Amino acid sequence: DVKVTQSSRYLVKRTGEKVFLECVQDMDHENMFWYRQDPGLGLRLIYFSYDVKMKEKGDIPEGYSVSREKKERFSLILESASTNQTSMYLCASSLSSGSVDEQYFGPGTRLTVT
Amino acid sequence: LAKTTQPISMDSYEGQEVNITCSHNNIATNDYITWYQQFPSQGPRFIIQGYKTKVTNEVASLFIPADRKSSTLSLPRVSLSDTAVYYCLVGDWGTGRRALTFGSGTRLQVQP
Repeated sequence: DVKVTQSSRYLVKRTGEKVFLECVQDMDHENMFWYRQDPGLGLRLIYFSYDVKMKEKGDIPEGYSVSREKKERFSLILESASTNQTSMYLCASSLSSGSVDEQYFGPGTRLTVT
Repeated sequence: LAKTTQPISMDSYEGQEVNITCSHNNIATNDYITWYQQFPSQGPRFIIQGYKTKVTNEVASLFIPADRKSSTLSLPRVSLSDTAVYYCLVGDWGTGRRALTFGSGTRLQVQP
């Protein structure tokens, strides 16, 4: 089974702090994704990566950056956390066959910024 | 990007068939339609995917009309364990275009 793990289930940070959310997948998937999930808004794509060191902005990249130095690991960085970044963050991965592959999601990190 | 619209919530009883519809009026030619299920405190899980007409697997069916401007997830004979949030995803992942749009989700409550 594909396993996607996220470094923390719950995280509390202060405004202005730099925050790192880590995601690791164990199935040699090419694609990795970061979403945020808010009530009534569903999942919104922040950034994705289709290869090591390759990244592209999703729908809501402002205030975030990402890093993919190794194939299995995709990090989401909040350079200066703000209260409006309080949310559930979901990481996902998928194989790359040139079409829309099934995404495998981690359990999520609930981030609270105070 | 395709904009997707789903009902916010639905109620059903055990043993009934449930149909959840997603509207995606500006779906692109190469976009696929995928449905995910999410339980509390878990990430979404893949249910089914299709491009046109009908797709069926062991847990659900997906109906897509010829114009592809909507899709319907059909869950036969639901049980209490089907209580979850269901998301439709419309998108393409070909070379030159990578675009994925999730709907806002439909909360299904199954009653005994």
